[in-house]
Amino acid sequence: TQLLEQSPQFLSIQEGENLTVYCNSSSVFSSLQWYRQEPGEGPVLLVTVVTGGEVKKLKRLTFQFGDARKDSSLHITAAQPGDTGLYLCAGGGGGSNYKLTFGKGTLLTVNP
Amino acid sequence: EPEVTQTPSHQVTQMGQEVILRCVPISNHLYFYWYRQILGQKVEFLVSFYNNEISEKSEIFDDQFSVERPDGSNFTLKIRSTKLEDSAMYFCASTIEDRVSEQYFGPGTRLTVT
Repeated sequence: TQLLEQSPQFLSIQEGENLTVYCNSSSVFSSLQWYRQEPGEGPVLLVTVVTGGEVKKLKRLTFQFGDARKDSSLHITAAQPGDTGLYLCAGGGGGSNYKLTFGKGTLLTVNP
Repeated sequence: EPEVTQTPSHQVTQMGQEVILRCVPISNHLYFYWYRQILGQKVEFLVSFYNNEISEKSEIFDDQFSVERPDGSNFTLKIRSTKLEDSAMYFCASTIEDRVSEQYFGPGTRLTVT
């Protein structure tokens, strides 16, 4: 069974601070997705990384896939209150089905 | 921007009743999925569907569950006899064939079984 562990589970910071959240597994994934989920809504896809060592940037968000494709990180620069939300990582197993295995998420609160 | 839609947004039903949750995937997508999220827990895979048949299902997806693509646009999840533990958010997702890992999720249906 593939598992994804996310840390920290909760993070509360002040506006303007930088932060990094982590997604770790003992299993290799073919790809890794980061989603953001608001209460009562569906996950919204932020990025997909597929190559070991890959780095992708989305404005103030930087995503990295580990060299061994077992872990990933999300770094936010100069966090803003609008970044508040639940950040989920999800691993794709490859093959024809490509079901996603989700972590429990990091709940980020950015205080003004 | 195209998006996945789901109806209803909230469904309340009594234990033992049948429910059908509906989804309209993004129009050019070919792979379809159902996931569920029990309050406070992880998003869990239920089933994947491609070329009018189930391609994979989880242990959760037992004989009480079924999926169907009755026409060219809708994708449905049926629970034949609901149990209290079926109460959860149910999400539909879809993806185009050559970007299978990039699944786009709908807003969800909150199912409450009383």
